[in-house]
Amino acid sequence: AQSVAQPEDQVNVAEGNPLTVKCTYSVSGNPYLFWYVQYPNRGLQFLLKYITGDNLVKGSYGFEAEFNKSQTSFHLKKPSALVSDSALYFCAVRDPSNDYKLSFGAGTTVTVRA
Amino acid sequence: NAGVTQTPKFRVLKTGQSMTLLCAQDMNHEYMYWYRQDPGMGLRLIHYSVGEGTTAKGEVPDGYNVSRLKKQNFLLGLESAAPSQTSVYFCAIRRTSGATDTQYFGPGTRLTVL
Repeated sequence: AQSVAQPEDQVNVAEGNPLTVKCTYSVSGNPYLFWYVQYPNRGLQFLLKYITGDNLVKGSYGFEAEFNKSQTSFHLKKPSALVSDSALYFCAVRDPSNDYKLSFGAGTTVTVRA
Repeated sequence: NAGVTQTPKFRVLKTGQSMTLLCAQDMNHEYMYWYRQDPGMGLRLIHYSVGEGTTAKGEVPDGYNVSRLKKQNFLLGLESAAPSQTSVYFCAIRRTSGATDTQYFGPGTRLTVL
């Protein structure tokens, strides 16, 4: 069975500082990994995904994520955080052999202070 | 919201009442999903459909029923609502186009069961 863990409920950073949101996964076979962001009272927006290829994936709004197979991690990063990045972030893993269902982490709330 | 709409946006029910949530897409996507979002638990899959006339159970199907009579619409029903079904419900479609294979979400329905 596939699963995702986001070990931090909250991440607080100052504007302009680097932002990292952690994610580890467990899946049989090759993982398909995703990051989504949810702004208050909104739906989930797709940020980026890893399927295969380059371990560093670039996505929307200046975010990137690094796939590390040996550590089974897929951490989300942004070099310089903005106040507008304050939101709830979800990591997800998909099992392509199981009707393409997604399993989500519990989410990490990011607060960027001015 | 990638052409995914949800009706209604908000609803308050009394225990034992029934209701149907509608998810509609304006494209021709085969896969559609219903998730519920609860604090600290991420998103959990309720039911999904891989095409018109097909449905399947997800992670937390009890107390819900679904139908996909038309390809564009995926209905989620609560026959006898319970307070434990108070949640935010999201519909998603799986978009596949070339190298793209990603789930996109609707804006959500906030349901309160008293």
